[in-house]
Amino acid sequence: NAGVTQTPKFQVLKTGQSMTLQCAQDMNHEYMSWYRQDPGMGLRLIHYSVGAGITDQGEVPNGYNVSRSTTEDFPLRLLSAAPSQTSVYFCASSPWGNTEAFFGQGTRLTVV
Amino acid sequence: AQKVTQAQTEISVVEKEDVTLDCVYETRDTTYYLFWYKQPPSGELVFLIRRNSFDEQNEISGRYSWNFQKSTSSFNFTITASQVVDSAVYFCALSEAQNTDKLIFGTGTRLQVFP
Repeated sequence: NAGVTQTPKFQVLKTGQSMTLQCAQDMNHEYMSWYRQDPGMGLRLIHYSVGAGITDQGEVPNGYNVSRSTTEDFPLRLLSAAPSQTSVYFCASSPWGNTEAFFGQGTRLTVV
Repeated sequence: AQKVTQAQTEISVVEKEDVTLDCVYETRDTTYYLFWYKQPPSGELVFLIRRNSFDEQNEISGRYSWNFQKSTSSFNFTITASQVVDSAVYFCALSEAQNTDKLIFGTGTRLQVFP
């Protein structure tokens, strides 16, 4: 099993560009989440999903969109990249709530 | 409001020393879950432990032990006889029964173990 796979691992964007960070899991987990990690701030929840077709906002959702059309995939869209979105992004999945989360390897995004 | 505080930003120890990482949490929920994750220099996040609010028993797993005290809202993590491979950033996190997949992370403690 591959677990949680994020692509790309690294990305540089220009301000104003859009892009999609991909996240796929092969564990048939219902719950999936996106976090961003910034120095000194830990991980903060951007968006999450408790199943296909269901998404909700986390702590820092502005500037990001998500959708969940399948159980396996949970892409994160940056609509118009800003330097403040420079961060490391982690996707996570878990079989149900309040249990161990499995994290992807992360995507390091730089917006110039 | 939920909050997790890891007051120790960075700790340095010499190999074989014992080290305790502190975690203090805030929640209004009576049912909640506490976690510790490890982030080694390679960057991935590795699950270490999950504890629910009704289980205050301490847990030991090899060189790792966890002390959960509801009276002080703390969930501290001790590494006994530390090793260089323990060098990592350690995160404490909280989730509440009413917000099932919202993990609230602390800011992390960077542990450096020197040979």
